[in-house]
Amino acid sequence: KNQVEQSPQSLIILEGKNCTLQCNYTVSPFSNLRWYKQDTGRGPVSLTIMTFSENTKSNGRYTATLDADTKQSSLHITASQLSDSASYICVVSDGRGGSYIPTFGRGTSLIVHP
Amino acid sequence: DAGVIQSPRHEVTEMGQEVTLRCKPISGHDYLFWYRQTMMRGLELLIYFNNNVPIDDSGMPEDRFSAKMPNASFSTLKIQPSEPRDSAVYFCASSYQSQRYNSPLHFGNGTRLTVT
Repeated sequence: KNQVEQSPQSLIILEGKNCTLQCNYTVSPFSNLRWYKQDTGRGPVSLTIMTFSENTKSNGRYTATLDADTKQSSLHITASQLSDSASYICVVSDGRGGSYIPTFGRGTSLIVHP
Repeated sequence: DAGVIQSPRHEVTEMGQEVTLRCKPISGHDYLFWYRQTMMRGLELLIYFNNNVPIDDSGMPEDRFSAKMPNASFSTLKIQPSEPRDSAVYFCASSYQSQRYNSPLHFGNGTRLTVT
């Protein structure tokens, strides 16, 4: 069964600090991995996409990494801002039959304090 | 594009009543997903459609839940009869997939359902 595990479950940091969120997955066959940000009261929004051949991808202060051998990904947030307070969800899609059905992690709840 | 539109944003109903949640996907998207989100279980896939056809409804918790997609621009999720344990936020999402590209899921802002 496809699974996506995220850690930590929750994280509290001070504004301006960096942090790293982790994602481990057992999804086969692997197609791609996305990190989503979910603000309170809103639907998740995609931040980055990683395919099998990509190791690192940046989107502003967000940098995602992927190790396809160990089936791990991380999301690094640099110089955190109050607006980064949200839930960050790792989503891995498999490529069975040409469709790309995603498996969701439970998310990491990040709180940034001033 | 206005994005995925869900209605209503909030629904409060009494146990036993019928509830209908509505979704308008992004034009041109060929996949539509219904999810349920709770603190305990996170986001759970209930059902998804491809080109208006239900593909996998194994996540639908019980026969009380049903979903339809009569055309490419509209889908409904119905709960009849509703129970307090159905209280959650229900999200609709759409995406476009081809052999060379699959878009991210585009989510609506959800319907917060409270069953008393």
